This record gives sequence, C-alpha cells and structure tokens, in this order.
Amino acid sequence: GAGVSQSPRYKVAKRGQDVALRCDPISGHVSLFWYQQALGQGPEFLTYFQNEAQLDKSGLPSDRFFAERPEGSVSTLKIQRTQQEDSAVYLCASSSDRGYEQYFGPGTRLTVT
Amino acid sequence: RKEVEQDPGPFNVPEGATVAFNCTYSNSASQSFFWYRQDCRKEPKLLMSVYSSGNEDGRFTAQLNRASQYISLLIRDSKLSDSATYLCVVTRAGNNRLAFGKGNQVVVIP
Repeated sequence: GAGVSQSPRYKVAKRGQDVALRCDPISGHVSLFWYQQALGQGPEFLTYFQNEAQLDKSGLPSDRFFAERPEGSVSTLKIQRTQQEDSAVYLCASSSDRGYEQYFGPGTRLTVT
Repeated sequence: RKEVEQDPGPFNVPEGATVAFNCTYSNSASQSFFWYRQDCRKEPKLLMSVYSSGNEDGRFTAQLNRASQYISLLIRDSKLSDSATYLCVVTRAGNNRLAFGKGNQVVVIP
C-alpha cells in the first residue's frame, strides 16, 4: 500500500524566503509527526498532531516555524524567513491510533543559500 | 546532555563477523526502546523493538539494561547489506515523540 509521501523532495531557498513542505500520511493514520535531521545527526522532534489537533509543538526551534493539519490528514510545515541553519532534511512520520510504530516519509531536503 | 547518546563510529566490520554497539539514555522515565535503521539518504525504518528480557530477530539481538540505562544491538554474521546507520530511539511514558541518538554507522567490508 501507499506509504508516507512528502513533497517537494528537494528545495533550494534563498535566505529570507518562505517555504512550505507537504506531508501525506498513510491513509487512516491518526498521528503525524515532523522531525528535522541535520547532516550527521539523528532526527530531532519538531511537532506532533493527533488528527487536526497540534498536541505538542515544543520542538519547533523558533516562531518562524509553523505547522498545520487542518483536516486531520495532509500536513504542511512552513518556515518563514529561512536562515542557513534551517538547512536540513525534514521528515514526516505517521502512526495509527493503536500502534506505536512510526512510518517515515522520504523527507524533504532543504538547502538555504 | 542529549537524551540519547551514541558513538557514531564508523564501525568497519569484515563480512561474516559480529559487531556490537550500544547507546545510553539519560531519562529514567523512558518507557519504550527501539533500533531504527537508516540507509544513506533514506528515511529511518524500524528494525526492532527492545524489551527488558532481550529479544532476537534472526541475526540481530537487542538488549536493554534499565538499571544502567543502556541499550545494545548485536549483529551476527554481518552481510554487506547490513551497511547502514543504526539509530537508537527511546520514548517516554504518555509521550509519542521519538528521541533519536546520532546513530552508529556500520560499514561491512568484503
């Protein structure tokens, strides 16, 4: 079946531009997570949704980062006024309401120049 | 201090050999433990959960030591296809977020 998909797969932004990253979770998965993975590091938690409710956004590094999931399915991570330190792979993961295994999408590789 | 610490390596392993590595976690309230595998430029995928009694899945054995707060992974009879980064992951009770270590990079050499 279809897994988690993310778009775009690659994004190059000039410093100061706004970007929007999309995640399509596995159909029917209630929980959705965003992680940021810098080069040579493990993924770091950004935010978590259960259906449309954002239950935890404690990992968002600044108020330039904003995530939404208005209909409890597709989610968008928006980064305003991008900075070079935002360059990373942004991973989305989803899980069912019963299971704990998180299934990851292929990620969006963001490069800020 | 990071929640999960791992020595990144790389661990260069001859094909057919056994390799073992571990990670430590700082939060004694951690409840669930996992090893994820991440291939180069790919997403992490669950390799196995780790239970207090220890568990095995084919050539892979995972152990958890709650008293010392460390988790180990052992790979027997290494294959070239085992080359990857192995990420140690913990979660806390009542919290779904995954806390990842930096990963152990394993390179299996023919």
